[in-house]
Amino acid sequence: NAGVTQTPKFRILKIGQSMTLQCTQDMNHNYMYWYRQDPGMGLKLIYYSVGAGITDKGEVPNGYNVSRSTTEDFPLRLELAAPSQTSVYFCASQTGGMYGTEAFFGQGTRLTVV
Amino acid sequence: GQSLEQPSEVTAVEGAIVQINCTYQTSGFYGLSWYQQHDGGAPTFLSYNALDGLEETGRFSSFLSRSDSYGYLLLQELQMKDSASYFCAVPYSGGYQKVTFGTGTKLQVIP
Repeated sequence: NAGVTQTPKFRILKIGQSMTLQCTQDMNHNYMYWYRQDPGMGLKLIYYSVGAGITDKGEVPNGYNVSRSTTEDFPLRLELAAPSQTSVYFCASQTGGMYGTEAFFGQGTRLTVV
Repeated sequence: GQSLEQPSEVTAVEGAIVQINCTYQTSGFYGLSWYQQHDGGAPTFLSYNALDGLEETGRFSSFLSRSDSYGYLLLQELQMKDSASYFCAVPYSGGYQKVTFGTGTKLQVIP
């Protein structure tokens, strides 16, 4: 059981470039999330999805876009990368439907924008 | 809005007990979760409290007082591998689908 898989693990982007962070889960979870974590800080919610075709903004959505065409996949798109987007990005999923269900996280993508 | 406060760092001796506190402000409360994150790793779920009181899971326990907007994570018989960051989290007001994380408490276990 792979759980939540993120690719790539590391990436260096130049200012103004674009990229897509991939996230796939094999647990048939309805809820999926993208967080960013800056050094020494907690996680900030970027976008989330409660099912295929349904997405919504989180706390820090500017500069990002998402789509959810299938239950399994939830890619995060960075357009026109900026140094402020240097961070570690985590994708997570959970079953939803009940409060406090466990969120499962991927291993993260470490992104540096130079 | 939502806010959570945790101590930034805690140091404790191997074999001892440590308590990590979390106070929160939220307009709608559904429960308090705790996550562990080792350096360079992903957060992993530890516990969830929806009701007042103590929940025990092995060496880890979590406590909630809704009237005080306060909770804590208690780690007993500390081991070196418990050195990690610990985050409390609450669901956003208006929907449990979104979760706010605290800034985390970095626990260092020393011999």
